[in-house]
Amino acid sequence: GAVVSQHPSWVICKSGTSVKIECRSLDFQATTMFWYRQFPKQSLMLMATSNEGSKATYEQGVEKDKFLINHASLTLSTLTVTSAHPEDSSFYICSASNWGNYGYTFGSGTRLTVV
Amino acid sequence: GESVGLHLPTLSVQEGDNSIINCAYSNSASDYFIWYKQESGKGPQFIIDIRSNMDKRQGQRVTVLLNKTVKHLSLQIAATQPGDSAVYFCAENYARDDYKLSFGAGTTVTVRA
Repeated sequence: GAVVSQHPSWVICKSGTSVKIECRSLDFQATTMFWYRQFPKQSLMLMATSNEGSKATYEQGVEKDKFLINHASLTLSTLTVTSAHPEDSSFYICSASNWGNYGYTFGSGTRLTVV
Repeated sequence: GESVGLHLPTLSVQEGDNSIINCAYSNSASDYFIWYKQESGKGPQFIIDIRSNMDKRQGQRVTVLLNKTVKHLSLQIAATQPGDSAVYFCAENYARDDYKLSFGAGTTVTVRA
């Protein structure tokens, strides 16, 4: 079945530093990848949609310069949280899709804590 | 057990009983719906999906019902087990909207032994 690997599973960083999160589709080509943020006891909120080789489309209210998304290949997308602050602490989850075959497959999530 | 009303965030159910989780979706043009299970600290896990041209779909121990008239989705879990304890989300997709998924608020299901 479709497998999406997300790394790291957790990360602690200092305020002001940048953190990169990777999302890989292991056994299929992901034409579209989605990045979500989830605060405790809340639902998943879509941050951005990225198509391979194109610029990401960000949801309203999400700062594109703060959350840099790169989808350079059909199997890898990265989310970089730049100049992280404590309010960026959250659970970040990616999802990969290849329409016609695999629907949506989610990664295992990354717990980001900014101190 | 059944989640009463469409916005109750928790459901407690006795092991072995059936569970019904309800969800109201927002876009009448949505044409694809998915139920996910999320355990603590993990990503969502696919349970079952249904397209808008259907009103019922069954899987292993699970059934999804879709009522487009009132924009309502439900997930029925038969013979609920302790391993079913998790947060359950419904998600809707409008294919013309770049295939984005929009998630509901979620229902926390706790199974009592």
